Amino acid sequence: DAGVTQSPTHLIKTRGQQVTLRCSPISGHKSVSWYQQVLGQGPQFIFQYYEKEERGRGNFPDRFSARQFPNYSSELNVNALLLGDSALYLCASSSNPGTGGSVNTGELFFGEGSRLTVL
Amino acid sequence: AQKVTQAQTEISVVEKEDVTLDCVYETRDTTYYLFWYKQPPSGELVFLIRRNSFDEQNEISGRYSWNFQKSTSSFNFTITASQVVDSAVYFCALIPSYGGSQGNLIFGKGTKLSVKP
Repeated sequence: DAGVTQSPTHLIKTRGQQVTLRCSPISGHKSVSWYQQVLGQGPQFIFQYYEKEERGRGNFPDRFSARQFPNYSSELNVNALLLGDSALYLCASSSNPGTGGSVNTGELFFGEGSRLTVL
Repeated sequence: AQKVTQAQTEISVVEKEDVTLDCVYETRDTTYYLFWYKQPPSGELVFLIRRNSFDEQNEISGRYSWNFQKSTSSFNFTITASQVVDSAVYFCALIPSYGGSQGNLIFGKGTKLSVKP
């Protein structure tokens, strides 16, 4: 079975440009989360989507947006790129959102990420 | 505040040595979940363990073991007889009950483990 797949693997953009990153969750998983991992740091939560609705948002500016499609795949968009947006962007899927403390399995399945470099 | 601290930035050991990775967490919730993830050079995070705040039993899985102590807010991870394949960055993470969800992990900064042959 395919795991979480992300595209593109690597990309280079210049300041001010816009980027779209894509994620396909594991088959049957309805929840997708996005994380930003700056070099040398732990991942930081950006968004969670479940059944096409936003279920959570981290402390990121409005330049960051996301959506989830009927097939549960997801896109992360970042507008007006800054140098500081250079990072590994990780997508994770799970079978349910596990909100309110009902973390059934506690297991998020992560993709290998999209490495964004902003020049 | 909800926070995870991994004070050890990098650890280097020789194969077959035991190594302990420290994790200290902060949360105001009485119900929470703690995790360890492994990140090899490929980038993807690999789930190792989940522990809820009501279960303080230590756990052993092969060469891996975890020591959860609520009294000191610590959730340490020990690898026994380390191997070169254990080389990776290891992250401790927290999901608080209030305002948290399965998709919203709070990660520490990670500990880079290098196991030399």
